[in-house]
Amino acid sequence: AQKVTQTQTSISVMEKTTVTMDCVYETQDSSYFLFWYKQTASGEIVFLIRQDSYKKENATVGHYSLNFQKPKSSIGLIITATQIEDSAVYFCAMREGQGGRALIFGTGTTVSVSP
Amino acid sequence: GGIITQTPKFLIGQEGQKLTLKCQQNFNHDTMYWYRQDSGKGLRLIYYSITENDLQKGDLSEGYDASREKKSSFSLTVTSAQKNEMAVFLCASSSRTGPYEQYFGPGTRLTVL
Repeated sequence: AQKVTQTQTSISVMEKTTVTMDCVYETQDSSYFLFWYKQTASGEIVFLIRQDSYKKENATVGHYSLNFQKPKSSIGLIITATQIEDSAVYFCAMREGQGGRALIFGTGTTVSVSP
Repeated sequence: GGIITQTPKFLIGQEGQKLTLKCQQNFNHDTMYWYRQDSGKGLRLIYYSITENDLQKGDLSEGYDASREKKSSFSLTVTSAQKNEMAVFLCASSSRTGPYEQYFGPGTRLTVL
C-alpha cells in the first residue's frame, strides 16, 4: 500500500539559514513521482518541486532543492537562505505510475522562520 | 498558466442537508480532484475524474457524490451533511499525460450547524 510519512511536525529556524525536512514513502511501483507543496497561512496550496523516480539527479528550483535517496525511500526538502515568507506548512506527496491517479499526502511539517 | 476557482468560498449548512461545491479550471487539464482537509491535517482524496464523464472514488468517497459536467468543471455534493464534516474542501487539476503536479484551488470551507 502507498504511504507517505513526515515525522517532523514543526521546525523553527532563523531567517537566512537553511532548513531541511524529511519525508519517507512506501510504494510497490517501480515508477513514481514525488512532490513538495507549501500551504500558506491563508490556506493556499502551492506546488514547489517534483522528483521523478527514474532520475538520479536531485531536483532544484530556486532556493528549493531535494535530497532523493531512493534506496531509503526518502525525499527530503531543503530550503536555503530562508525568508520570513517561507513560514508555512510543507507537504510531501507521491503519485504512482501513469494515468490520472491522485496524490498521497503526508501530514505536513510546519516551518516557522524568525527574523 | 491558469487558475482554479471554487465556489462558494464559505458554505454553511444544516445537519442532514444536501450541499454542492463547484470547481472550475482553465488549465485545460484532463484530470480533476476533490480532497478534504481537516484542521491541522493532510489532504485526503474524495473523488477524482480522469476525463469528462469519468468518476473514480477515493478513500473518502462515502457520503459524497461527484459530477464532471465538462472538462473544465467538477462538482462535489455532500449528500447529507454531518457535524464531523466541518473541513476545507480543495479542488485540484493536473495533466493526464504529464507533468503530473497538481494545481489547487483556494478551497471551500464547510461548516455544519
